[in-house]
Amino acid sequence: EVQLVESGGGLIQPGGSLRLSCEASGFIFSDYSMNWVRQAPGKGLEWISYISSGSRSVYYVDSVSGRFTISRDNANNSLYLQMNSLRGEDTAVYYCARLLGDFGSERVFDSWGQGTLVTVSS
Amino acid sequence: EIVMTQSPATLSVSPGERVTLSCRASHYVTTYLAWYQQRPGQAPRLLVYGTSTRATDVPARFSGSGSGTEFTLTISSLQSEDFAVYYCQQYLNWPWTFGQGTKVEIK
Repeated sequence: EVQLVESGGGLIQPGGSLRLSCEASGFIFSDYSMNWVRQAPGKGLEWISYISSGSRSVYYVDSVSGRFTISRDNANNSLYLQMNSLRGEDTAVYYCARLLGDFGSERVFDSWGQGTLVTVSS
Repeated sequence: EIVMTQSPATLSVSPGERVTLSCRASHYVTTYLAWYQQRPGQAPRLLVYGTSTRATDVPARFSGSGSGTEFTLTISSLQSEDFAVYYCQQYLNWPWTFGQGTKVEIK
């Protein structure tokens, strides 16, 4: 069974930094591209970052580009999101999500973690 | 950025009814359109991708259609577990974007 478990969320002051982790199990982690998707309280979903299976390609939504860094450790089946210069609008539940495939119609999020809440507030 | 617009925002439905949810893209996305279901307090779940391909273990009462800029998710006979928020998502261009969601609630 595919499992994705996020951790690292919490309360952080504006301007602060936080590192989220996502531990994967039940599948060959190194075979899959991974993503972070967030959801502000009571709001919709927002894709924020992608990393290819071998870390060669990374993408970010403009609102986090330059502040957030996605990375992965295939040896330890883990995905990370380093978040710097945090703002109030970054307050959200952060989900890690696996990409079904890397080509064509399969570039969709087929497995999701339960999410970790990040609250940016003074 | 491709903007995804879903309608209606909320749909009040009785169990057993047929439901049609709409999603419009601001630019052409071919068939690179997915639908997700999110029940309260849960993570999203992939329902349909490539406009019309059901994901693993998704019941046949869910079906997707459309192309280009206009898409539809149909639930043929609404079950109690289907009351949730539904999101469409385009994945033709970066950034991948979601619609704002349609909430299907009990009438």
